[in-house]
Amino acid sequence: TQLLEQSPQFLSIQEGENLTVYCNSSSVFSSLQWYRQEPGEGPVLLVTVVTGGEVKKLKRLTFQFGDARKDSSLHITAAQPGDTGLYLCAESRQNTGNQFYFGTGTSLTVIP
Amino acid sequence: NAGVTQTPKFRILKIGQSMTLQCTQDMNHNYMYWYRQDPGMGLKLIYYSVGAGITDKGEVPNGYNVSRSTTEDFPLRLELAAPSQTSVYFCASRPGAGEKLFFGSGTQLSVL
Repeated sequence: TQLLEQSPQFLSIQEGENLTVYCNSSSVFSSLQWYRQEPGEGPVLLVTVVTGGEVKKLKRLTFQFGDARKDSSLHITAAQPGDTGLYLCAESRQNTGNQFYFGTGTSLTVIP
Repeated sequence: NAGVTQTPKFRILKIGQSMTLQCTQDMNHNYMYWYRQDPGMGLKLIYYSVGAGITDKGEVPNGYNVSRSTTEDFPLRLELAAPSQTSVYFCASRPGAGEKLFFGSGTQLSVL
């Protein structure tokens, strides 16, 4: 059973466009991380969010953690071809902190 | 530091064969994880360990076994390979709960 649902599953946009991807769960997160994975490599951490309502910015990427700590979003402004990759959210749940689950993933393609 | 090292990078098995995927880390991390990733999808947790001598099941443990005799090593064993186990396998480690994961470069396994 997949505990973390991401949407959309696939996204293909033109360079310069904006986009938002979502990560949702029925459980409350202790903390949530966003990773980006390029073909043939392991995922690399982008950000960790911990506090409900928290907003973090990483250059053109804006990450938001829901007030109830059950959802998160990633917004990319003026997408570039270098943003192409698989975006994954991952979480430890409050009562199972040692386990670490990944979402279903959003595959992003930015066309030059 | 080499980080997380996985071997082999590629392997083809026949149905019913057995093999061990090796994973070692030199960062003295307590937490180690095995994931499998099917094409274009997120990562599914197979097994994890919070320290030497301690292992536990994740989402998809059937058909796999692990051991953790030392802090550094966390091998994954496939006893009777099946086509459904064709996937890319990633090993990861982190110092403690809530910390980011460090990934190996993956093992691409095909069972024919």
